[in-house]
Amino acid sequence: GAVVSQHPSRVICKSGTSVKIECRSLDFQATTMFWYRQFPKKSLMLMATSNEGSKATYEQGVEKDKFLINHASLTLSTLTVTSAHPEDSSFYICSARGGGRDTEAFFGQGTRLTVV
Amino acid sequence: GQNIDQPTEMTATEGAIVQINCTYQTSGFNGLFWYQQHAGEAPTFLSYNVLDGLEEKGRFSSFLSRSKGYSYLLLKELQMKDSASYLCAVTDSNYQLIWGAGTKLIIKP
Repeated sequence: GAVVSQHPSRVICKSGTSVKIECRSLDFQATTMFWYRQFPKKSLMLMATSNEGSKATYEQGVEKDKFLINHASLTLSTLTVTSAHPEDSSFYICSARGGGRDTEAFFGQGTRLTVV
Repeated sequence: GQNIDQPTEMTATEGAIVQINCTYQTSGFNGLFWYQQHAGEAPTFLSYNVLDGLEEKGRFSSFLSRSKGYSYLLLKELQMKDSASYLCAVTDSNYQLIWGAGTKLIIKP
């Protein structure tokens, strides 16, 4: 399958600082990228969908000013958690889709964010 | 509303067979995915069904009945490494992925 690389895998930051998470499709062009958040023992919660070159579409309840998403190229999307708080601590996962809308999405390795 | 139901947890014995069911009610249907997720890791793709019937891939098989809004994932010759959560996800008429909460599968020796 295709490879999606997510970096960093783990990050610890202080309250009030910002953290950037990168998601790269290594061997295909990702026309659409998805950002998920997962709480312990819970399923994936879609935060936003981004298409290359356009603004991300955020799900209801997700603060777009707090979770900044940039999808500037067909191989890179970034999620920036701004002014992080301890309640933002979570597992963040990106996935990328290169083909039509019915094709599978490939997942990055995930990022464990801990805000102290 | 849109809903996907799957059991929260199942237990099976190494070497045995287990079937994980998934029922869905969504606005439209454009395919169903099964993913495996080990604790602390991202999900990995297992199967995709869009037509009725059984898709077999090695030890794993996935079945779909669109008229019943039902799918199952069948795991044969269970190994300890199969202990994981199994997520069912359906693509609706807007091609949005709707996720189930996942089934935690525990394999015992």
